[in-house]
Amino acid sequence: GAGVSQTPSNKVTEKGKYVELRCDPISGHTALYWYRQSLGQGPEFLIYFQGTGAADDSGLPNDRFFAVRPEGSVSTLKIQRTERGDSAVYLCASRDSSGELFFGEGSRLTVL
Amino acid sequence: AQSVTQPDIHITVSEGASLELRCNYSYGATPYLFWYVQSPGQGLQLLLKYFSGDTLVQGIKGFEAEFKRSQSSFNLRKPSVHWSDAAEYFCAVATRGTSYGKLTFGQGTILTVHP
Repeated sequence: GAGVSQTPSNKVTEKGKYVELRCDPISGHTALYWYRQSLGQGPEFLIYFQGTGAADDSGLPNDRFFAVRPEGSVSTLKIQRTERGDSAVYLCASRDSSGELFFGEGSRLTVL
Repeated sequence: AQSVTQPDIHITVSEGASLELRCNYSYGATPYLFWYVQSPGQGLQLLLKYFSGDTLVQGIKGFEAEFKRSQSSFNLRKPSVHWSDAAEYFCAVATRGTSYGKLTFGQGTILTVHP
């Protein structure tokens, strides 16, 4: 069956530009998570959706980052005025009823 | 604040040898505990998890982990490593009473397997 799909797989942008990263979770999973993984580090939690609402956005680093999930399925992570420090792999995961997270392959963002 | 420590950044073993990857956590109470594996070009995959009950947990691919409350540890083991086990391994925890999916990850341990 289809897993978690993330697009684009790679994104190169210039400092100051706006970026959108998309996540398509496993069908039927109501919980969706965004993580950021910097080089040589473990993933860091950004935000969690239960349905359409953000249940916990405590991991978003600043107000340049926000995410939406308007219909309770696909989610978009949006980064304004990108900085070189935003370069990382952005991971999306959806959760099944047993509590297991299923991760996508990630979107690698490079800010020049 | 909670933290997860994986003391070994890189481990090399020979194929067929046993493996133990260490994980220690710092929490006020016993958290939910997880091990994930990440292979190049693939997403993170759950190997096993501990929520409660038997402290020795069996996972996929022949892995097991043991929760030791007195040591705040959740070490991952495999009796005989295969070349396909070469990957990066992450220990992760989630606070009880919060979402299972809000995880704090360790830095990861890269496993190299020699033939």
